[in-house]
Amino acid sequence: DAGVIQSPRHEVTEMGQEVTLRCKPISGHDYLFWYRQTMMRGLELLIYFNNNVPIDDSGMPEDRFSAKMPNASFSTLKIQPSEPRDSAVYFCASSLGAASSYNSPLHFGNGTRLTVT
Amino acid sequence: EDQVTQSPEALRLQEGESSSLNCSYTVSGLRGLFWYRQDPGKGPEFLFTLYSAGEEKEKERLKATLTKKESFLHITAPKPEDSATYLCAVQDRWGAQKLVFGQGTRLTINP
Repeated sequence: DAGVIQSPRHEVTEMGQEVTLRCKPISGHDYLFWYRQTMMRGLELLIYFNNNVPIDDSGMPEDRFSAKMPNASFSTLKIQPSEPRDSAVYFCASSLGAASSYNSPLHFGNGTRLTVT
Repeated sequence: EDQVTQSPEALRLQEGESSSLNCSYTVSGLRGLFWYRQDPGKGPEFLFTLYSAGEEKEKERLKATLTKKESFLHITAPKPEDSATYLCAVQDRWGAQKLVFGQGTRLTINP
């Protein structure tokens, strides 16, 4: 099992540019989560999907952020336009069933480090 | 609002020197408390889930315990490879799949 795969690993862009982050969850997992990690705020949940349907996007900071999951094996997080305060590490995670289930912990990818100058 | 506070922020130990990390939480109704390990440049890696006060889980040199207000991660005779950031998270009964994470404790084990 290759685990959760995120791309790119690093992204440097200029303010105002569009940024797209990509995630391939573990095959068979039915939940997908997008988190953001910063020194100041730690790990914050942005949005999560169940069976490709967005369930809770209350953590998405602004309308500049959008996320899609067109199929069970792919999701994107888009920021348009990007701003310096969006600089962070963005993690994708997936799970099989409820996160509180003993056999269904969250499995995280290795993240995308985004720098907006 | 659910809150998780971890202490200390950073801890430096000698190899073999046992200690404990603390996770204090406020939640309306606990569904589960989670411990994760995070290495530099990597995503968090699942360690344990605890569901009710009094519960304990062990894995190698790590043991997690839970009370109604806090959880401890005890590290016995640590080795340098135990160096990492340890994250605590809670899920409440009403927040569906949302996990609220603490800021983490950065643990360094010197040989």
